[in-house]
Amino acid sequence: DVKLVESGGGLVQPGGSLRLSCVVSGFTFSNYEFNWVRQAPGKGLEWLSYISAGGRNIVYADSVKGRFTISRDSAKKTVYLQMSSLRAEDTAIYYCTRYNDFNYMDAWGNGTTVTVSS
Amino acid sequence: QSALTQPASVSGSPGQSITISCSGTSSDVGGYNYVSWYQQHPGKAPTLLIYDVSSRPSGISDRFSGSKSGNTASLTISGLQAEDEADYYCGSYTSTYGYVFGTGTKVTVL
Repeated sequence: DVKLVESGGGLVQPGGSLRLSCVVSGFTFSNYEFNWVRQAPGKGLEWLSYISAGGRNIVYADSVKGRFTISRDSAKKTVYLQMSSLRAEDTAIYYCTRYNDFNYMDAWGNGTTVTVSS
Repeated sequence: QSALTQPASVSGSPGQSITISCSGTSSDVGGYNYVSWYQQHPGKAPTLLIYDVSSRPSGISDRFSGSKSGNTASLTISGLQAEDEADYYCGSYTSTYGYVFGTGTKVTVL
């Protein structure tokens, strides 16, 4: 069974930092690319970041460029999203997704909730 | 990168067919055959319905079909069922090597 399990969400003050993790199982981690996607309360999906299978190619949405960093650890089969300088508008459910053929997200985790508030 | 444009809501009666549009630009929808569609039920994570404009993953009903003309992609749901009531999002690869989602469409089964 293909599984992606996010963790690391929680309540953080504006300006703070948080690191999200996405542990995968059921497939060969090193063969796949991944994305982070978020969904603010009552809003639509927003793509945030992409990392290639080898980790060398990384892309960010303008909304998080310079504040968020995506990375991956093959030994731990884990994808990370390091988030800093958090703002109220970063409050959302954050999903880790498997990216296939560089163009569609064929597996999603259940998400982890990040709340930025004082 | 601006979100792709979808109608906010579409409704239909059981058994009917409905179509959801997804409008983009030549830098995303129109430039590549890399449009995908996702279904999201309330409180759940999205799931992949359609990829590469019109391909269905294993296990997805053939009542769901996709197409594209120019900068606009479409998702058609045939034989509408109560379980199809959900939010639907299109998505596309972009020329800046990123990805963009549509604004989302709420489907209501009357």
